[in-house]
Amino acid sequence: GENVEQHPSTLSVQEGDSAVIKCTYSDSASNYFPWYKQELGKGPQLIIDIRSNVGEKKDQRIAVTLNKTAKHFSLHITETQPEDSAVYFCAALPRGGGGNKLTFGTGTQLKVEL
Amino acid sequence: DVKVTQSSRYLVKRTGEKVFLECVQDMDHENMFWYRQDPGLGLRLIYFSYDVKMKEKGDIPEGYSVSREKKERFSLILESASTNQTSMYLCASSFPSAGGDNEQFFGPGTRLTVL
Repeated sequence: GENVEQHPSTLSVQEGDSAVIKCTYSDSASNYFPWYKQELGKGPQLIIDIRSNVGEKKDQRIAVTLNKTAKHFSLHITETQPEDSAVYFCAALPRGGGGNKLTFGTGTQLKVEL
Repeated sequence: DVKVTQSSRYLVKRTGEKVFLECVQDMDHENMFWYRQDPGLGLRLIYFSYDVKMKEKGDIPEGYSVSREKKERFSLILESASTNQTSMYLCASSFPSAGGDNEQFFGPGTRLTVL
């Protein structure tokens, strides 16, 4: 089955700096890669996703890049703000992964310091 | 707004007790999921349901069962709770899609402690 590794497990940045979180996946047939953000006391929420036919996707201050050859994808947050502090999870969906069954990474605790 | 609610935010049970965790969604989603979240392990899928009375095992189903009698409600059952089932439990729901790539909407979680 699919295995997703996520690094780093914790990340501390100064407000205004950029943050990058990286994930690798094992199943070359995976074709959908979402990122979820979990704020304290809440469930995870989708913030951006990318499909395997696209190399990069951007939404305001966040962007995701995908390298299918190397089987890794990354989340980039620019101009970080205190409200970006949260746990971020990457995930992968194998092709033919019926029922929307995602494999999640282990999470990154991002702290944006003033 | 999609809403996924879980019956309890915090729950404390004794070893050997039968435990029910309830999840309700209000968006008529066919798919519903139960995950457990542990530090350093991320989210791991326990069970998945794609329709009423239909279920599939996830990655860690041992020690758990589920029930889906109505479309909006998905229950996770711990037949005989053990201390290693102390965890955060998250419920999620989504519409189905041919590619499986629809957004999952999560509830706020139930933190279960088994003493």
